[in-house]
Amino acid sequence: AQKVTQAQTEISVVEKEDVTLDCVYETRDTTYYLFWYKQPPSGELVFLIRRNSFDEQNEISGRYSWNFQKSTSSFNFTITASQVVDSAVYFCALSEDYYGQNFVFGPGTRLSVLP
Amino acid sequence: NAGVTQTPKFQVLKTGQSMTLQCAQDMNHEYMSWYRQDPGMGLRLIHYSVGAGITDQGEVPNGYNVSRSTTEDFPLRLLSAAPSQTSVYFCASSYRGPGRHEQYFGPGTRLTVT
Repeated sequence: AQKVTQAQTEISVVEKEDVTLDCVYETRDTTYYLFWYKQPPSGELVFLIRRNSFDEQNEISGRYSWNFQKSTSSFNFTITASQVVDSAVYFCALSEDYYGQNFVFGPGTRLSVLP
Repeated sequence: NAGVTQTPKFQVLKTGQSMTLQCAQDMNHEYMSWYRQDPGMGLRLIHYSVGAGITDQGEVPNGYNVSRSTTEDFPLRLLSAAPSQTSVYFCASSYRGPGRHEQYFGPGTRLTVT
């Protein structure tokens, strides 16, 4: 069965520090999809990125970057030069289904960026 | 586009009462789903639908019913509310098919059952 682990329950950093959020997944499928979502204090869930299992290229979007490593079943998320607005709960999710059904979410990591 | 909308935003029920949480999307997405979010447990899938007239159970379906008569709407019904159903409920929608099936979420409904 598919499973997502986010071992870091809470992280606190000071503004401008870099921070990495860990995500480890389990799946028996060779084709799967990984996602990151952000949940700011206002409560909505914001889609950040999707990564397919056959594309191990790392991705950078501004201060955000993602490191996908199939060898360690990890899909880690790094925020460079963190800002107070990055304070949120971040969820990693896995979808095995070809049609994109049945997401499994990790428990989330609460990131607090202090000024 | 309004995206995914949910009503109500907040609701308090007494044990045994019934209610329907409304969800609508205007993106013509085939796939819709309901999740509940509880502290420390992430989001857990309750029910989902891959199109009008088709629904199926997720990880935690007990105590909830759904139907999908149109592409746009996917209501969640609590038949007899229990305190264990106190949670934040999110509706989501997406296209089906690889490469574009990230889910887009509504703003959530905070439900308290006393």
